[in-house]
Amino acid sequence: EVQLVQSGAEVKKPGESLKISCKVSGYTFTNYWIGWVRQMPGKGLEWMGIIYPGDSDTRKSPSFQGQVTISADKSIKTAYLQWSSLKASDTAIYYCARGSGWFPGAGFDYWGHGTLVTVSS
Amino acid sequence: QSVLTQPPSASGTPGQRVTFSCSGSSSNIGSNTVNWYQQLPGTAPKLLIYNDDQRPSGVPDRFSGSKSGTSASLAISGLQSEDEADYYCAAWDDSLNGSVFGTGTEVAVL
Repeated sequence: EVQLVQSGAEVKKPGESLKISCKVSGYTFTNYWIGWVRQMPGKGLEWMGIIYPGDSDTRKSPSFQGQVTISADKSIKTAYLQWSSLKASDTAIYYCARGSGWFPGAGFDYWGHGTLVTVSS
Repeated sequence: QSVLTQPPSASGTPGQRVTFSCSGSSSNIGSNTVNWYQQLPGTAPKLLIYNDDQRPSGVPDRFSGSKSGTSASLAISGLQSEDEADYYCAAWDDSLNGSVFGTGTEVAVL
């Protein structure tokens, strides 16, 4: 059974750093893209970026370039999304999801449950 | 600001057919396939349609997708109360070298 298990909710202050995780099981981690999607409170879905754990090929939305880092650790089948300096506007639910095909634009067929990140002074 | 535009809402009575659009451009829908997602309240999105018109295993055939030029559409036939959700289209954008989601459509069953 394919599963994407995300790390728990976080409460941080502006300026702090954060790294959230997405641990997968039930399939070969290095053979599928893993993407990150942001959903701000009461808002729609935003595609942030995607990584191919097999070779660490990473694509990012221009909106998130320089704002976040996407990485993956093959040895523990885990993808990461990290910030070096959080802002209040980073408050959102962050989902990881598996790409269903070889193309980075293929549909996300399995999703994590989401990690709520709250940034407040 | 999303480059894929959807109507903010759509509605119908049980049993009706509801259709709504996703409008893009030549760099996204015009040159790449479209995926549709359903997001029920308080839950993670779920893949509903991929490659313009394909349904993943387990998705009822009441849901269908189509595409023409730089626009795509999602149709729900035999509308049911459990279809009340937000629906998002998505497509790869060659100019952005990344995917984009649509603005989302909230479907209400009256």
